[in-house]
Amino acid sequence: KQEVTQIPAALSVPEGENLVLNCSFTDSAIYNLQWFRQDPGKGLTSLLLIQSSQREQTSGRLNASLDKSSGRSTLYIAASQPGDSATYLCAVSLLFSGATNKLIFGTGTLLAVQP
Amino acid sequence: DGGITQSPKYLFRKEGQNVTLSCEQNLNHDAMYWYRQDPGQGLRLIYYSQIVNDFQKGDIAEGYSVSREKKESFPLTVTSAQKNPTAFYLCASSHAAPRGDQPQHFGDGTRLSIL
Repeated sequence: KQEVTQIPAALSVPEGENLVLNCSFTDSAIYNLQWFRQDPGKGLTSLLLIQSSQREQTSGRLNASLDKSSGRSTLYIAASQPGDSATYLCAVSLLFSGATNKLIFGTGTLLAVQP
Repeated sequence: DGGITQSPKYLFRKEGQNVTLSCEQNLNHDAMYWYRQDPGQGLRLIYYSQIVNDFQKGDIAEGYSVSREKKESFPLTVTSAQKNPTAFYLCASSHAAPRGDQPQHFGDGTRLSIL
């Protein structure tokens, strides 16, 4: 059974610091891996999606890497800002029933960026 | 603007009552999903649908029911058989696999509580 773990559960950093969030998964047979952001009381916003054949994806100050063989992904946030404060969730996608991606979520990392 | 609309934002259920959560999307996505989010447990899949008039159980379907009569709509009913319904419910949609580059898009959620 696929399990997704995120470490740390919570992180507080001063503004401007570069930081890394970690995600690990137990079964390397994934379809893709996604990183999401969730603000309090809100839905999820997709940040980056890495297909199983890719090693990394970049969007602005965000860079996500994927190492399937070791079951790990990292989300790197450069020059953090108070507006980056949110919960960050990673999810791996399993292909089943021929057509639909099923997402298995980690429990998230709560990030606080102090001004 | 294209997106996913969930309503209501807050919902209260009395003992023995069925309640229905609405999810509408105008993204022309074939696949739709319902997740439940509890504190410290991440998101868990309740039901998903790949196409109109077809849906499958996820990991925690007991006590829930769905219908998919229109491509745009995927309502979730929380029945009286669900003994612990208090949670944050999230609806999502996506293009169907096998395109691995298709992220899931989420609504803003419905928070359900027991009176």
